[in-house]
Amino acid sequence: AQSVAQPEDQVNVAEGNPLTVKCTYSVSGNPYLFWYVQYPNRGLQFLLKYITGDNLVKGSYGFEAEFNKSQTSFHLKKPSALVSDSALYFCAVRGLPGANNLFFGTGTRLTVIP
Amino acid sequence: SAVISQKPSRDICQRGTSLTIQCQVDSQVTMMFWYRQQPGQSLTLIATANQGSEATYESGFVIDKFPISRPNLTFSTLTVSNMSPEDSSIYLCSVEDPGTDTYEQYFGPGTRLTVT
Repeated sequence: AQSVAQPEDQVNVAEGNPLTVKCTYSVSGNPYLFWYVQYPNRGLQFLLKYITGDNLVKGSYGFEAEFNKSQTSFHLKKPSALVSDSALYFCAVRGLPGANNLFFGTGTRLTVIP
Repeated sequence: SAVISQKPSRDICQRGTSLTIQCQVDSQVTMMFWYRQQPGQSLTLIATANQGSEATYESGFVIDKFPISRPNLTFSTLTVSNMSPEDSSIYLCSVEDPGTDTYEQYFGPGTRLTVT
C-alpha cells in the first residue's frame, strides 16, 4: 500500500535560516511524490513533484526537494526561510499504479520566527 | 493548471440534516476527487467521481452517507447526509491537471462544515 510519513508535527526556524521538512514514503512501484502547502483558511497549493529524472526538484516560492531512493525520503528544503513561509505542509504520494488519487502525510506545521 | 471553486465556503448545520457541496472547475477534467480533512488531521480521500459513471468510494465511506453527482466534465456535488458532529470537517474537491501526464492535482478552497 502507498503511504507517506512526516515525522515532525511542528518545525520552527528563524527567518533567513535554511529549513527542512521531512518526508519518507512507502510505495508499490515507482514513487510519484508531491509537496503541497496549506495557508490558513485556504485550500492546498501545489509546490513541487518528483516523477522521474533529477533527484533534486525545484518548485514554487524557492522551495526544492531531494528524492533519495535508498532512504525512501523526499525532504522539502529552502535555503532561506521567510516569515510568509509559515504554513502547513503536506507530503503526498500517488496511489497504486494506475490510480490517480493521492495519499497524504499527516502534515508538518512550519513556523518561521522573525 | 485548473481553477476550482466550491460552494458554500462554510456552513453550520444541525445534526440529522444534509448539506450539498458544489465543485466547479474552469476546464474539462476526467476525474474529480473528494477529500475530507478533519480538524487537525490530514486529508483522506472519500471518493473518485468520473463523469457518466458511479463514484468509487474508499474504505469507510459509503454512497448512502456521501452521495456524489458528476453530471458533466466541469462540475460535481458531494452531499453529506444525516449529519452528526463527527462530520465536522473541511471538504475539498480536487482535479488532476487536464494537461497530459503532469500528475499534478489542484484543490478547491474547501468547504468548512460544522455540525451542531
